[in-house]
Amino acid sequence: AQTVTQSQPEMSVQEAETVTLSCTYDTSESDYYLFWYKQPPSRQMILVIRQEAYKQQNATENRFSVNFQKAAKSFSLKISDSQLGDAAMYFCAYRANNNDMRFGAGTRLTVKP
Amino acid sequence: GAGVSQSPRYKVAKRGQDVALRCDPISGHVSLFWYQQALGQGPEFLTYFQNEAQLDKSGLPSDRFFAERPEGSVSTLKIQRTQQEDSAVYLCASSLHSTEAFFGQGTRLTVV
Repeated sequence: AQTVTQSQPEMSVQEAETVTLSCTYDTSESDYYLFWYKQPPSRQMILVIRQEAYKQQNATENRFSVNFQKAAKSFSLKISDSQLGDAAMYFCAYRANNNDMRFGAGTRLTVKP
Repeated sequence: GAGVSQSPRYKVAKRGQDVALRCDPISGHVSLFWYQQALGQGPEFLTYFQNEAQLDKSGLPSDRFFAERPEGSVSTLKIQRTQQEDSAVYLCASSLHSTEAFFGQGTRLTVV
């Protein structure tokens, strides 16, 4: 079974600084997708960024970027120029082709003004 | 609709009562997922549909939990004889293909 591990239950960052959230996963598949989702206190999950496993280039979305290391099965999220609105729970997720999606336990990010 | 819609948003059930939670996915989305999320935890997978076919129900915690999607669109998660440990937020998500899933706002179930 696929598992997703987020080893940082909580992280804190100063406003305007950079923070990296870690995620590792376990799979025997070669074709899959990885995602980072954000869940603010309102609880609706919002997609932050996605990465296709067949692409070597790391995905980037504005201030959000990933470091995808396929051999190491590592998928970290970097948030640059952190803003107060970035404070939320962040979940790493894995999905193999046409299969269900599995989530990690999450990292609570606090942004200090 | 424009997004995934779940109803009701909040449900209080007496222990032993049956409940039904509804999910309206984004129109045309093939895949539909149900998750259970306890406070401060990540979403735990319950079940997965592709159109009307339930491809994976390995996450359903007991035979009191049942999900259906008879016409490949709206889905219902039913919990029979609710117990206190069933209290959680139930999230529904849908996706078009094998990529990202879009989530509803969830149904918060409280069993008293």
